[in-house]
Amino acid sequence: GAVVSQHPSRVICKSGTSVKIECRSLDFQATTMFWYRQFPKQSLMLMATSNEGSKATYEQGVEKDKFLINHASLTLSTLTVTSAHPEDSSFYICSAPQGGVYNSPLHFGNGTRLTVT
Amino acid sequence: KNEVEQSPQNLTAQEGEFITINCSYSVGISALHWLQQHPGGGIVSLFMLSSGKKKHGRLIATINIQEKHSSLHITASHPRDSAVYICAVRSHYTGANSKLTFGKGITLSVRP
Repeated sequence: GAVVSQHPSRVICKSGTSVKIECRSLDFQATTMFWYRQFPKQSLMLMATSNEGSKATYEQGVEKDKFLINHASLTLSTLTVTSAHPEDSSFYICSAPQGGVYNSPLHFGNGTRLTVT
Repeated sequence: KNEVEQSPQNLTAQEGEFITINCSYSVGISALHWLQQHPGGGIVSLFMLSSGKKKHGRLIATINIQEKHSSLHITASHPRDSAVYICAVRSHYTGANSKLTFGKGITLSVRP
């Protein structure tokens, strides 16, 4: 079945540094990629939607300059957390609808647990 | 009030038991998803449904559009079913306004 590969699974970084998270669709073309953040015991919260070849759409309250999203190809979307702070520590997970259709099944990456010290 | 409510919040069952997890929502939807999140965080899509009932192995999902309610049933539960089960709904809106709203999830623990 369709797979989304997300790396790294776990990262610890120092405050002020940047971290890049990659999501690749392995056997389908992901024209759209959703990026979520999840705090402990909380719901998944949509941060932004990336579309191949165009600018990402950010949700209200999500800083575009802090969470840089690039979707340069049909199989790769990246999220870069710039100038990370301890409050950015969270679980980040991507998902892509197969076929790029909003009402198609979703395929999730395994997530990235970010800890900023 | 959250748009998506799940109950019970935590659930413990004995291996072999029949389990029901509920989801209620307050908006008109075009689709409802049931997701399974494992302890490591990875999420697997179990079902996407907009009406009726779907079955896959030991899992059954039902939805009642009029009552804005869905249930996920697990038959002959097994310890490997222990996970967080998340309900998510997509609103009627299409395109950029059609977003998924997630419930907080139910933590299921199946004891051997």
